[in-house]
Amino acid sequence: NAGVTQTPKFQVLKTGQSMTLQCAQDMNHNSMYWYRQDPGMGLRLIYYSASEGTTDKGEVPNGYNVSRLNKREFSLRLESAAPSQTSVYFCASSENRAEQFFGPGTRLTVL
Amino acid sequence: QKEVEQDPGPLSVPEGAIVSLNCTYSNSAFQYFMWYRQYSRKGPELLMYTYSSGNKEDGRFTAQVDKSSKYISLFIRDSQPSDSATYLCAMSISSNTGKLIFGQGTTLQVKP
Repeated sequence: NAGVTQTPKFQVLKTGQSMTLQCAQDMNHNSMYWYRQDPGMGLRLIYYSASEGTTDKGEVPNGYNVSRLNKREFSLRLESAAPSQTSVYFCASSENRAEQFFGPGTRLTVL
Repeated sequence: QKEVEQDPGPLSVPEGAIVSLNCTYSNSAFQYFMWYRQYSRKGPELLMYTYSSGNKEDGRFTAQVDKSSKYISLFIRDSQPSDSATYLCAMSISSNTGKLIFGQGTTLQVKP
């Protein structure tokens, strides 16, 4: 059981470039989430998907889009990266939604 | 003011000490309270989960919730160097929503 996997682990982008962060879970969970973690800010929810085919905005959705491709996969897209999006991005999944399982994170730097 | 406040530390203690980590919150609707542990350059992992007020114990860890004071605590007894990590509190209004609100995290170092 791999749990929650994320790719890539590291990425450096130039301002204005686009990229997609991939997330997959093998626990058959219905709900999936994308967070960003910044120093002194804790984890902030970007988007979440309560079930396959549904997505909703979280606390900080501006500049991001998501796709729930199927029950296993939930991707996060940055259409035009900005330096303010430099962060560590975590994907999580849950069945009992108060208990979330996190991936190892993607460290993104936007120059 | 943030909905959930947590002293970022860092907190440094000798091995064997009792550690107390705390969070305060402003939203009285929070019902579910969690503590996550995050090792350096890793994802958070759930450590403790409690519903409403009261205490919950799991080995060396005890979680306390005082809803009247809007205050939650995590106690670590006989702390070990392997407990060195960042501890994040998280809260939710309902178990039917995935919207967790996290504190900033407290960095703990346990020195041998």
